[in-house]
Amino acid sequence: QSALTQPASVSGSPGQSITISCTGTSNDVGRYNYVSWYQQHPGKVPKLMIYDVSNRPSGVSNRFSGSKSGNTASLTISGLQAEDEAGYYCSSYRSTRVVFGGGTKLTVL
Amino acid sequence: EVQLVESGGGLVQPGGSLRLSCTASGFPFSKYSMNWVRQAAGKGLEWVSYISSGSTTMYYADSVKGRFTISRDNAKNSLYLQMNSLRAEDTAVYYCARGYYYDTISAFDIWGQGSMVTVSS
Repeated sequence: QSALTQPASVSGSPGQSITISCTGTSNDVGRYNYVSWYQQHPGKVPKLMIYDVSNRPSGVSNRFSGSKSGNTASLTISGLQAEDEAGYYCSSYRSTRVVFGGGTKLTVL
Repeated sequence: EVQLVESGGGLVQPGGSLRLSCTASGFPFSKYSMNWVRQAAGKGLEWVSYISSGSTTMYYADSVKGRFTISRDNAKNSLYLQMNSLRAEDTAVYYCARGYYYDTISAFDIWGQGSMVTVSS
């Protein structure tokens, strides 16, 4: 059982927008603005997509955006593309440790 | 090219020990915090341990505390994970990962290709 809760799967059609939620507690997501999101294609290493809730590393498409409300963080992908089909993981700082969500499989229909 | 390369994985019996290494290149290793993150087959990511750029601060997941030790040698651009009293549930691919900005623990921007650790009799 993962510390952060994500939906197991989400899907969308090309061009649409989807949102993946990441629910934690007042001890992690709710307390710190240290939420990150990672994309992982099968057999590949994770890639940092969002850090500190809503910041994009250089080179990451502006179709990816992050936000937070209370104990829940969200990753939104707009203008879905076939290449976005992958696993997505959220993480949060929790007082001397990092906790991950269980991951969400995004299917582009 | 910015790169992390892990080594040292393999098959070990329960209760045994193993030392993973991660060699960095293409960036000033001594200025970045480093982490170990693992992933069991078909499972999600699990953070294992953190070390600050100057080795002044180390953190561990509860699941490995007291059994694993993280260390680094900035002169050798290398990160290590000493794993003792290994259990079957430690079986996973172990990634070393760089903190995205100064001594952050919260975001990992560069990942190694992973080193497989299998704990089995």
